[in-house]
Amino acid sequence: DAGITQSPRHKVTETGTPVTLRCHQTENHRYMYWYRQDPGHGLRLIHYSYGVKDTDKGEVSDGYSVSRSKTEDFLLTLESATSSQTSVYFCAISGLAGTDTQYFGPGTRLTVL
Amino acid sequence: GQQVMQIPQYQHVQEGEDFTTYCNSSTTLSNIQWYKQRPGGHPVFLIQLVKSGEVKKQKRLTFQFGEAKKNSSLHITATQTTDVGTYFCNAGNNRKLIWGLGTSLAVNP
Repeated sequence: DAGITQSPRHKVTETGTPVTLRCHQTENHRYMYWYRQDPGHGLRLIHYSYGVKDTDKGEVSDGYSVSRSKTEDFLLTLESATSSQTSVYFCAISGLAGTDTQYFGPGTRLTVL
Repeated sequence: GQQVMQIPQYQHVQEGEDFTTYCNSSTTLSNIQWYKQRPGGHPVFLIQLVKSGEVKKQKRLTFQFGEAKKNSSLHITATQTTDVGTYFCNAGNNRKLIWGLGTSLAVNP
């Protein structure tokens, strides 16, 4: 497996609280992605980054923000968590281009009560 | 927007039976990737197809890219319980990737 870690791996929080999920890679890959996975919806792209401080929205970006201040770290922030954001969140990385193979982290299971 | 249809959504087989999942696009694709996700795990890259009509094999798994580069299939011969999981296609077009919703495979021992 590629060197990708996600923290925390599990989190339970309350509606209205801010939450930050961290993705860390040791592969020096250019592209980093945040997905959410929910039953019946497959993998949905939230945001992605194509370099330090270069980010763009995916198909389900509302309620989420991201930051990438270093090549190895990509943060996903829920400014004010809602129950609809209860999900499993996966970080992925890829190397050369937006259509390159993606390598996934182990995931973070987030529950918003 | 562009969609990638993956069928079937679910498949339940007896161990030893064959299994096929299909990924279909209305537009020509530049490439297609296949991933497997075990229950409770994360998606893991299996293979990438790029050429029209390309066929690749990995042991009991056969991957095919259509001649028109609009569809792809993953075929598993003689399924085993270790094949359980969800298989996703990820189709490349115009420098973007579009995920299929996946086919969940259950195998009865």
